[in-house]
Order: sequence, then structure tokens, then C-alpha cells
Amino acid sequence: TQLLEQSPQFLSIQEGENLTVYCNSSSVFSSLQWYRQEPGEGPVLLVTVVTGGEVKKLKRLTFQFGDARKDSSLHITAAQPGDTGLYLCAGTFGNEKLTFGTGTRLTIIP
Amino acid sequence: DVKVTQSSRYLVKRTGEKVFLECVQDMDHENMFWYRQDPGLGLRLIYFSYDVKMKEKGDIPEGYSVSREKKERFSLILESASTNQTSMYLCASSTAPVGNYGYTFGSGTRLTVV
Repeated sequence: TQLLEQSPQFLSIQEGENLTVYCNSSSVFSSLQWYRQEPGEGPVLLVTVVTGGEVKKLKRLTFQFGDARKDSSLHITAAQPGDTGLYLCAGTFGNEKLTFGTGTRLTIIP
Repeated sequence: DVKVTQSSRYLVKRTGEKVFLECVQDMDHENMFWYRQDPGLGLRLIYFSYDVKMKEKGDIPEGYSVSREKKERFSLILESASTNQTSMYLCASSTAPVGNYGYTFGSGTRLTVV
């Protein structure tokens, strides 16, 4: 079973600050996705990255896929309370199943 | 709005009971999945199905079974519930290739076994 490690496990910052969370694997991903999960709900897909070195932006969120396709990062600029949630990375390894990381629980303090 | 619907948000069951968790999707997706989510352990795959009447074991199938008699419905069965099966259960569906489209999740069922 492939393992995805996310860091940090918990992050609490003030509104308006910037932050970066990480997702790492010892295996090469076919593709990498980021999800956000709010309390009492299922995860919701934010973005998919496929090509090594790819960068995607979603408003204040910037997603980067490592050149070797073994790691990814999520950067949030000027964090807002609405960004609070559990951020999960998930990778595919050549089949139709996703393997999930353990998540980063982000709290933005107003 | 496309949906994955899980039949119950909260369930409390007694040890030894047979428990059915139902999941229905309205997107005509081929693939359906059951995960459990526990603090510090992330999402772990229990069972999945790529087609009607087809099922495959995930990483933690022990104590569970599944049924997929219709394309839109995927049921998770706890044959004899135990306290270590207390968890959040998440159903998801997808269409191929999952690398492009990702999963659509239901809202989850929080199961407590007492």
C-alpha cells in the first residue's frame, strides 16, 4: 500500500496570514488531487494535477506538483476563516482507486 | 446538482447487531467506494466496486461485506457490529479516469457501536 504523508498535521494561524501545507510520497503519482472537508461533510475536490512541475491556481489557493511527481504543496494567500477545514491530498498510482493522506487540519483565527 | 446520498447521518447500534449502510448516487458512475475515517488514520478503503455485482476488497475489509445489485446503489454491511467499528463511514463514486474527475463523496454516516 502506498503511503502519503501530509504535514503539518495541525495548523492554526491568524486571518490574513499565508500558509503552505505539504503532501509527500515515496512512490510516483499518476495524478494528485486535493480535497477540503468541512465538519460533518464529505471531502470536496479542489484540484487535480497531473504533470510534473504543474502549478494551478484557484483564487487564493496555489497548488504545485513536484517535478518528480512524488510530492505536492498547497499554498494559501491571505487566509480567511472560510478556509478552515481538513485538507486531504490523494494520489492515483495507475488505477481507479485513490490513496489518501492523513490530512492537515487548518484553523483560521479571525 | 449531482449527489451521493448516504441514508443516515448518525447511527447508534449495539454490539453484535447486523448493520446496513446505504449509498445512492445519481451520476451514473461506474465506480463506488466505501471508506472509514478515523482521527490520525485518515481515510481507509474498505471495499470498492467497478461495476454492478462486482466487488473488490480494499485495505481493511475484515468484518465488512458489500452489495451492489444496481449501478446506483452500493451497500456496506457490518455482519456483527463491534465497538472498534465505531467510525465515520464515507461513500464515494467516480467515473473513469478518476485522475481527471476525482471522487464525489456523500456527507458521511457517523456510526457508534455500544
